[in-house]
Amino acid sequence: GAVVSQHPSRVICKSGTSVKIECRSLDFQATTMFWYRQFPKKSLMLMATSNEGSKATYEQGVEKDKFLINHASLTLSTLTVTSAHPEDSSFYICSAARGTGDIQYFGAGTRLSVL
Amino acid sequence: DAKTTQPNSMESNEEEPVHLPCNHSTISGTDYIHWYRQLPSQGPEYVIHGLTSNVNNRMASLAIAEDRKSSTLILHRATLRDAAVYYCILSGNEKLTFGTGTRLTIIP
Repeated sequence: GAVVSQHPSRVICKSGTSVKIECRSLDFQATTMFWYRQFPKKSLMLMATSNEGSKATYEQGVEKDKFLINHASLTLSTLTVTSAHPEDSSFYICSAARGTGDIQYFGAGTRLSVL
Repeated sequence: DAKTTQPNSMESNEEEPVHLPCNHSTISGTDYIHWYRQLPSQGPEYVIHGLTSNVNNRMASLAIAEDRKSSTLILHRATLRDAAVYYCILSGNEKLTFGTGTRLTIIP
């Protein structure tokens, strides 16, 4: 149990376009989902925390208008990178937890390359 | 969040036990000790977590010092599939703050 699916696994897009990444908890209901970003040879950095039905809470330095997060149901959260630029190229990873303080189960990640 | 200190890298022979250390001298009374690992080009995977007592599960064991200022993740019999970056994380709330972790290399 506790499987998190992330789609797409890889996306290449032109500068200025928007990209949507989906994160689904397949066999459990996730009250809270998290979005991370990881640059090459670096550790994961938390971008935002989202609770179902509420606005996401963004970490300091993360632009909420650029990284739109929607957590419309207990099994789905989406991250939209708006007007992507080459500096947004990174490995984006989501995780889901059943409740506050519970174990986080991670997706396989989405590698975004912006040309 | 309280900080953890881990060695940058470790090596171990296949089929031998591995002890991965973590120091967390500023841990607070409500901080849980979490271990996650990340294989190349994948998302992290939960390994184990504990508060005060030692913990065992099918993947590993977690030994927590009596003063809680350090802990050790124990892989009882390393396989090549255990090669990964292992993160020791303290969490008193829902957030996980990842450090640089320990890169574990398994030698066949």
